[in-house]
Amino acid sequence: DQQVKQNSPSLSVQEGRISILNCDYTNSMFDYFLWYKKYPAEGPTFLISISSIKDKNEDGRFTVFLNKSAKHLSLHIVPSQPGDSAVYFCAAYLTTSGTYKYIFGTGTRLKVLA
Amino acid sequence: EAQVTQNPRYLITVTGKKLTVTCSQNMNHEYMSWYRQDPGLGLRQIYYSMNVEVTDKGDVPEGYKVSRKEKRNFPLILESPSPNQTSLYFCASSPYSPTNYGYTFGSGTRLTVV
Repeated sequence: DQQVKQNSPSLSVQEGRISILNCDYTNSMFDYFLWYKKYPAEGPTFLISISSIKDKNEDGRFTVFLNKSAKHLSLHIVPSQPGDSAVYFCAAYLTTSGTYKYIFGTGTRLKVLA
Repeated sequence: EAQVTQNPRYLITVTGKKLTVTCSQNMNHEYMSWYRQDPGLGLRQIYYSMNVEVTDKGDVPEGYKVSRKEKRNFPLILESPSPNQTSLYFCASSPYSPTNYGYTFGSGTRLTVV
């Protein structure tokens, strides 16, 4: 039962254009959503997060949008750069009764073409 | 340099031979966690710890043990490894619950069980 889904395994975008990575979730109790970037032979690195009480968070070229009614979030990268080529994971967090769950999607490979 | 250090980076072992993957962080983080990454399945949480002597199961804990005797170290123990534990393993840490600032990940340990 995949609670966090990234339905596009890969995406190619021209340098300078917008990259849009999508993520869907099933559990309306998630408190936070996060995006990570992963280069080969390295661990994931944190990019940006958003609380479930917000619908947008921005950090430089990266913006995350949350649509709670659709249980959907997206990461926008503008403008895209070749160094953004990596695998992007969305993650969802919820805490309940003193424990927590931190669930990752399966990842989307972004390729930015020069 | 602030980091999460995992050892070894690569390990090939035989079925049933006990092994330990070490994880150490130098950031005085409270939260630590172990994930495994498998093709098509993303990152799945094995165990996590919210503080010294406090550990809890993630989504795929079977066949693994952990301990948190001191804040900086969080070893992953495979008492009797089996081929289905062949995977890429990541240790991660976070100062508090990994929401606003996410996890800091180690570089990974690629384990092969034959």
